[in-house]
Amino acid sequence: AQSVTQLDSQVPVFEEAPVELRCNYSSSVSVYLFWYVQYPNQGLQLLLKYLSGSTLVESINGFEAEFNKSQTSFHLRKPSVHISDTAEYFCAVSGRGGSYIPTFGRGTSLIVHP
Amino acid sequence: ETGVTQSPTHLIKTRGQQVTLRCSSQSGHNTVSWYQQALGQGPQFIFQYYREEENGRGNFPPRFSGLQFPNYSSELNVNALELDDSALYLCASSLGQVASYEQYFGPGTRLTVT
Repeated sequence: AQSVTQLDSQVPVFEEAPVELRCNYSSSVSVYLFWYVQYPNQGLQLLLKYLSGSTLVESINGFEAEFNKSQTSFHLRKPSVHISDTAEYFCAVSGRGGSYIPTFGRGTSLIVHP
Repeated sequence: ETGVTQSPTHLIKTRGQQVTLRCSSQSGHNTVSWYQQALGQGPQFIFQYYREEENGRGNFPPRFSGLQFPNYSSELNVNALELDDSALYLCASSLGQVASYEQYFGPGTRLTVT
């Protein structure tokens, strides 16, 4: 069994400020970890993923996340946010091997103010 | 390359009725997963189809059923609709069934049960 906890339901921040969206997970097996973004009235888009190798993963639009096995965390960070980053962000986990049955967190609403 | 499409965009049904939602997967993808996203929640995995066979199922009752066709498009059928079935239903396709493959999501079908 696996679970995901996104510790903040809403994160307000001013434009150009740094932001961290927190994600903790639990699983009895080794995992893959994902961050998805959902803009209003749209489906989810993959932002970044950790499969293996370097624990720091980056997206093309400036987000990064670090896999911390000892703390079972996969927090998402961006050093300087833009208005266009306003969206819902979901952390997800799935067990390695076998078929894909992911578990999503409840989401964190990032609200960027001008 | 065409992305994942879903139809209809919205629909309203009455409790006890049956509904069919449709999904066309991205070109070249042989795996389709369906999710239910209630308001303010993260997506919950319903089931996955890989090469026309059900390949994994979440914690949903049997009145949620599906099909995958030879062209890898898919249907989600829900019988005996309940008020709690009101949600955004998301379809996602991928190149394969294992968790490391990226999932591409459609925009969703918003179902309202009255």
